[in-house]
Amino acid sequence: AQKITQTQPGMFVQEKEAVTLDCTYDTSDQSYGLFWYKQPSSGEMIFLIYQGSYDEQNATEGRYSLNFQKARKSANLVISASQLGDSAMYFCAMREGTNYGQNFVFGPGTRLSVLP
Amino acid sequence: DGGITQSPKYLFRKEGQNVTLSCEQNLNHDAMYWYRQDPGQGLRLIYYSQIVNDFQKGDIAEGYSVSREKKESFPLTVTSAQKNPTAFYLCASKGLHEQYFGPGTRLTVT
Repeated sequence: AQKITQTQPGMFVQEKEAVTLDCTYDTSDQSYGLFWYKQPSSGEMIFLIYQGSYDEQNATEGRYSLNFQKARKSANLVISASQLGDSAMYFCAMREGTNYGQNFVFGPGTRLSVLP
Repeated sequence: DGGITQSPKYLFRKEGQNVTLSCEQNLNHDAMYWYRQDPGQGLRLIYYSQIVNDFQKGDIAEGYSVSREKKESFPLTVTSAQKNPTAFYLCASKGLHEQYFGPGTRLTVT
């Protein structure tokens, strides 16, 4: 079964508007971490934001925020005020397990295109 | 500058040859990872290492081998047993929570 689901293969957003990228996850662990990464066409993976399973507040990093709904097992990424440079693939990822022996699993990604 | 380096950026090999991809980090991280990415797909874990001289297989380890003799280095060998080795390979190390990635190596086997 898929541990990370990203149901939007592609998304379009107008420059300066906000966009939400969906991510749902599946785990039976109580302790886990959720991450979003950006991958431009050059290929490097850029870390955007992290949410711990015990964090009560939604994580925010600049224009990025993570809408964490634990009961629904969702961790959507919200990008405010989109910029042309935000056009890229976006991957949701989860880290399960204790501090040792951790494994990360990635979703299939969402391609975001920002329109001028 | 702290970071992860992977070399080379592009690599071409003939079928039947083993090839080793380099990954070096100066972030003083214990955990390191190798992922494979095929076009339009997400990342799949090949191997990971939590400490020196210890490593575990990921989801797609068949046809690959690794070593972790030094904390800074985690080379990946793509062997001739790997049936479809052409892909983009990413190395990462883990900080407090998140992973930091190298620029990747694009391997083409013909």
